[in-house]
Amino acid sequence: EVQLVESGGVVVQPGGSLRLSCAASGFTFDDYAMHWVRQAPGKGLEWVSLISWDGGSTYYADSVKGRFTISRDNSKNSLYLQMNSLRAEDTALYYCAKDKNYYGSAADYWGQGTLVTVSS
Amino acid sequence: DIVMTQTPLSLSVTPGQPASISCKSSQSLLHSDGKTYLYWYLQKPGQSPQLLIYEVSSRFSGVPDRFSGSGSGTDFTLKISRVEAEDVGVYYCMQGIHPVFGGGTKVEIK
Repeated sequence: EVQLVESGGVVVQPGGSLRLSCAASGFTFDDYAMHWVRQAPGKGLEWVSLISWDGGSTYYADSVKGRFTISRDNSKNSLYLQMNSLRAEDTALYYCAKDKNYYGSAADYWGQGTLVTVSS
Repeated sequence: DIVMTQTPLSLSVTPGQPASISCKSSQSLLHSDGKTYLYWYLQKPGQSPQLLIYEVSSRFSGVPDRFSGSGSGTDFTLKISRVEAEDVGVYYCMQGIHPVFGGGTKVEIK
């Protein structure tokens, strides 16, 4: 059974930094690309970032480009999101999601999310 | 940037009746590899999103056959042939070329 468990969400001040983690199990982690998707309170889904199976290719939404960095450690079956220069509008539930393929297509399994609140 | 526009914003459906959601893209989603990267998701109340349809019309594992996707280029449709109570939630289309979600369509039961 595919399991994705996010962690690291906390309350952080504007301008601060945070690293989210996602522990994956139940599938061969290094066979698949991975996504981060977020959802602000009461709002719709916003795709944030994608990383290919080997970490060689990364992609970002314009809203986070230059501030967030996606990475993975295939030896630890883990996905990360380094978030810098955080803004109030980054407040959201952050989901980790597995892709159907190695290169990036549909996110087929999702975690339960970790809440990031940016507030002074 | 590709913009995804979903209509309607909300839908109230009698159980057993059909429902249809439209998703329009500002650019063609047909990739040079011949695939069209259009997906549909359902987010049930209090839950994480779940994949329903990938590449326009392929049902994901375990998705009931009352759900179907169609379309091409810039115009896509999700149809539920007979709505059931468990189908309530917010439906999102998403394009995968430069990933963007549509704004969502809330489906509720009359």
